[in-house]
Amino acid sequence: RKEVEQDPGPFNVPEGATVAFNCTYSNSASQSFFWYRQDCRKEPKLLMSVYSSGNEDGRFTAQLNRASQYISLLIRDSKLSDSATYLCVVVQGGKLIFGQGTELSVKP
Amino acid sequence: GAVVSQHPSWVICKSGTSVKIECRSLDFQATTMFWYRQFPKQSLMLMATSNEGSKATYEQGVEKDKFLINHASLTLSTLTVTSAHPEDSSFYICSASLSLSSASGMGEQYFGPGTRLTVT
Repeated sequence: RKEVEQDPGPFNVPEGATVAFNCTYSNSASQSFFWYRQDCRKEPKLLMSVYSSGNEDGRFTAQLNRASQYISLLIRDSKLSDSATYLCVVVQGGKLIFGQGTELSVKP
Repeated sequence: GAVVSQHPSWVICKSGTSVKIECRSLDFQATTMFWYRQFPKQSLMLMATSNEGSKATYEQGVEKDKFLINHASLTLSTLTVTSAHPEDSSFYICSASLSLSSASGMGEQYFGPGTRLTVT
């Protein structure tokens, strides 16, 4: 079983749609959780941290369920510029463990 | 935010040659830098953790004699792919962390733009 699992997609949605990404992790001792965004052939960039209490930043909402070892990212009112791969990242033993990424394509 | 650069951004080399990739933190000092590799449609995989002034710590399955890492200063780490083969063709990305004092600090890694290596 992979340490961090994501649905690779692609998710093809129209502008303005709401889309949700899911991620599960296998190690219950994981310390911190993040969502990164990676554009094609570019480096990943931190999108937001994920907390049990939930974290909202504009159109983006991240949620952590430690009991289920599950992380989510919700994007509301999708924009064309949101098209990218979204990486679920878990910190274990002082290291970043990346999921495979979920590809999002927002169409006009 | 903090800026990390990599050089070269892409390189094509013949099988059997060695390639050196540089990673620099431009506006901060990084005692620890990380080297990742990403194959198409796959996740970033940590190869090694590079510590200034000491030997790098390699992840399981990564050959330390093939991927030589040198962290000679607080702003520069280099990765040398020795005797490169076509299966080494990949996207190599470095990152540097501003703070290791907390778990959240580990997530604040700043990534370089990556180096795309193609071995023919």
